[in-house]
Amino acid sequence: GESVGLHLPTLSVQEGDNSIINCAYSNSASDYFIWYKQESGKGPQFIIDIRSNMDKRQGQRVTVLLNKTVKHLSLQIAATQPGDSAVYFCAENGDYKLSFGAGTTVTVRA
Amino acid sequence: SAVISQKPSRDICQRGTSLTIQCQVDSQVTMMFWYRQQPGQSLTLIATANQGSEATYESGFVIDKFPISRPNLTFSTLTVSNMSPEDSSIYLCSGLKEGGEQFFGPGTRLTVL
Repeated sequence: GESVGLHLPTLSVQEGDNSIINCAYSNSASDYFIWYKQESGKGPQFIIDIRSNMDKRQGQRVTVLLNKTVKHLSLQIAATQPGDSAVYFCAENGDYKLSFGAGTTVTVRA
Repeated sequence: SAVISQKPSRDICQRGTSLTIQCQVDSQVTMMFWYRQQPGQSLTLIATANQGSEATYESGFVIDKFPISRPNLTFSTLTVSNMSPEDSSIYLCSGLKEGGEQFFGPGTRLTVL
């Protein structure tokens, strides 16, 4: 079966630095991925998505990269702020059903 | 995207009892889903709530344990039946509009003693 996972469970970042969160997937047929941010006590919040016909997509302060050759995607956050402290999940969207990775906890140091 | 609310936000229940969680969306959505998030872990899809018909359950989840209703395009309920401590989790509802992204409610934190 398919699986979606993250390389590291935690990431500590200095405020102002860039953050990179990685995710690997196993199903080569996966074609739609989403990054979510979950703050403590809240539900996941959509950040950005990417389809397999793209290898890069940019949003506000965020960039998602997709490498289909090695089945890897990453989320880059520019100029990380204290409000970016949260758990970040990658998810594979298969017919609208989401398969979530394990999550990376990002802590921003002042 | 729309806004989802859930009731209750949290509850502490005795084993063997049942709890019904309500999910209300402030506008019509095409699809609604229920997820479970065990403490410190990721989200797992329980089922797709189908309007006017039986929910579609994922592997490992059954209707007798997690009956779901969806009477209209903005409302759904999930019941956790005959609870045990292993059911202690956060239960999250999500909605999806045509062409939009899937968005989540705040979750219901359930503790079973």
